[in-house]
Amino acid sequence: AQTVTQSQPEMSVQEAETVTLSCTYDTSESDYYLFWYKQPPSRQMILVIRQEAYKQQNATENRFSVNFQKAAKSFSLKISDSQLGDAAMYFCAYRSADNDMRFGAGTRLTVKP
Amino acid sequence: KAGVTQTPRYLIKTRGQQVTLSCSPISGHRSVSWYQQTPGQGLQFLFEYFSETQRNKGNFPGRFSGRQFSNSRSEMNVSTLELGDSALYLCASSLQGRLNIQYFGAGTRLSVL
Repeated sequence: AQTVTQSQPEMSVQEAETVTLSCTYDTSESDYYLFWYKQPPSRQMILVIRQEAYKQQNATENRFSVNFQKAAKSFSLKISDSQLGDAAMYFCAYRSADNDMRFGAGTRLTVKP
Repeated sequence: KAGVTQTPRYLIKTRGQQVTLSCSPISGHRSVSWYQQTPGQGLQFLFEYFSETQRNKGNFPGRFSGRQFSNSRSEMNVSTLELGDSALYLCASSLQGRLNIQYFGAGTRLSVL
């Protein structure tokens, strides 16, 4: 079974600085998708960024980018120029080709002014 | 376009009762997935429905069931409630398709006393 591991329960970053959240996963499949979701205190889960495993190029969405290392099964999220509104729980997620979706335990990000 | 709507937002029940939660997906989305979120277990997949058929199922007891209607709205039912069923229940909808990004509702907070 696929597993997703987020080894950092909590992280903090100074406003305007850069922070990287780690995620590793275990799978024997070659076709899958990876996601980072953000869950602010209001609870609604929001998609931050997605990566298709067959694409070698790392995904980027404005201040958010990933470092996707397929061989190492690593999928880290980099947040540049951190803002107070980035404070939230961040979940790494894996979805197989047959729609089996797994989430990591989450990383709570605090942004200090 | 309206987002994923979950009702009710909060529920308080007692042990042994049953409960029904509702989820209205984004218009045009035919896939609905349900998740249980607890501080101890994180996000756990319950089941996914597509075109009124259960397509995937997580590792939960038979007390947890669901269904999907022809308009793609979905309901989740938990019978014989236990204290451990207290959780945030999240619903997510998605289009059918290769990338299949899930969009989440705000959740229903269930407290079992």
